[in-house]
Amino acid sequence: EAGVTQFPSHSVIEKGQTVTLRCDPISGHDNLYWYRRVMGKEIKFLLHFVKESKQDESGMPNNRFLAERTGGTYSTLKVQPAELEDSGVYFCASSRSGAGDTQYFGPGTRLTVL
Amino acid sequence: GESVGLHLPTLSVQEGDNSIINCAYSNSASDYFIWYKQESGKGPQFIIDIRSNMDKRQGQRVTVLLNKTVKHLSLQIAATQPGDSAVYFCAEIPYNQGGKLIFGQGTELSVKP
Repeated sequence: EAGVTQFPSHSVIEKGQTVTLRCDPISGHDNLYWYRRVMGKEIKFLLHFVKESKQDESGMPNNRFLAERTGGTYSTLKVQPAELEDSGVYFCASSRSGAGDTQYFGPGTRLTVL
Repeated sequence: GESVGLHLPTLSVQEGDNSIINCAYSNSASDYFIWYKQESGKGPQFIIDIRSNMDKRQGQRVTVLLNKTVKHLSLQIAATQPGDSAVYFCAEIPYNQGGKLIFGQGTELSVKP
């Protein structure tokens, strides 16, 4: 069974540009989470999808971030326009059911905003 | 506010020794705790978990201890090997918050041959 995959693995963009990150969860996993780790800090929750619905988006930093999960399969996270403080590693995780079920993480996308 | 933190950012041990990684949490409402291992270039990988109704759980070479009185979580790795070198994160899932993980800062474990 394939694990969680993320694309791209690295992205370097200039301040003000737009970047879209993609996450493909494990097949059959209804729950999809986005997290990010800013340099030297802990991994922080961004949002949680159950199928195509946003269950919790309390961690989204501001309205420059837009997450979608059309059809309840893969998810995208768009940052527009990107700022310097958006640099970090963005992780996606999925689980079959919700709270208490193991979340499996993808390898992450390293975003660098210059 | 809610936070899960680690006492030490780095830990260096000799191959074959036992490692102990500590974590303090502040949310007494959390009922599920997990340890993740992150190797360079990879995402966090599940190691072991423990529910709040337990105080100890053992896996293969790893043991997690939970002390709810002082809100302390630890990960013990027996006979540490070079392959154990990684960053270790503790995480908690607060009760009734949909399953989102709250992570600690992470401890970098370095194993010397």
